[in-house]
Amino acid sequence: EDKVVQSPLSLVVHEGDTVTLNCSYEVTNFRSLLWYKQEKKAPTFLFMLTSSGIEKKSGRLSSILDKKELFSILNITATQTGDSAIYLCAVDPQLNQGAQKLVFGQGTRLTINP
Amino acid sequence: DAGVTQSPTHLIKTRGQHVTLRCSPISGHKSVSWYQQVLGQGPQFIFQYYEKEERGRGNFPDRFSARQFPNYSSELNVNALLLGDSALYLCASSFGLYTGELFFGEGSRLTVL
Repeated sequence: EDKVVQSPLSLVVHEGDTVTLNCSYEVTNFRSLLWYKQEKKAPTFLFMLTSSGIEKKSGRLSSILDKKELFSILNITATQTGDSAIYLCAVDPQLNQGAQKLVFGQGTRLTINP
Repeated sequence: DAGVTQSPTHLIKTRGQHVTLRCSPISGHKSVSWYQQVLGQGPQFIFQYYEKEERGRGNFPDRFSARQFPNYSSELNVNALLLGDSALYLCASSFGLYTGELFFGEGSRLTVL
């Protein structure tokens, strides 16, 4: 069974700190790994990592994928209170019919204190 | 452009009732997926519809059903509601059957009493 485990489940830091969120996975036929940010309801897309794109960066956020060790990390530098959210990691297994079924982890609840 | 829109945003039902949740994808998107997010957990895949056909189904009982209309909007139906069906139901759309990123709506918060 495809599985995603995120750690830590909860993290509280001060504004300006750097944080690292972890995601490990087991999947029968890997296609991609995605990171989403969920502030209230709608998860918003951050990054997608595939075999051909194992490192992504956007402003203060960056992510890497280690396909050999089956994990990914999401780094946020110089954190701001607006970074407070739940961060979701999901893997996208290659299904026979080509459909897309994301398998999500529990999420990491990140709180940034001023 | 409007994003993915869902209705209703909140609803309360009692056990045994039926519920219908609606989703309009981003204009031009032909794929709609449904996810259930129980409090404190990540979203769990229920269905994917593409070009009005079911293309994927998660591990949910037959009480859950869905359909997609010619305009690519979609409905999720849940019969014989149980307390455990209380959750945020998220709809996501994408242009094709697989295009990587999914665009999520704000969700419908269902409470079953």
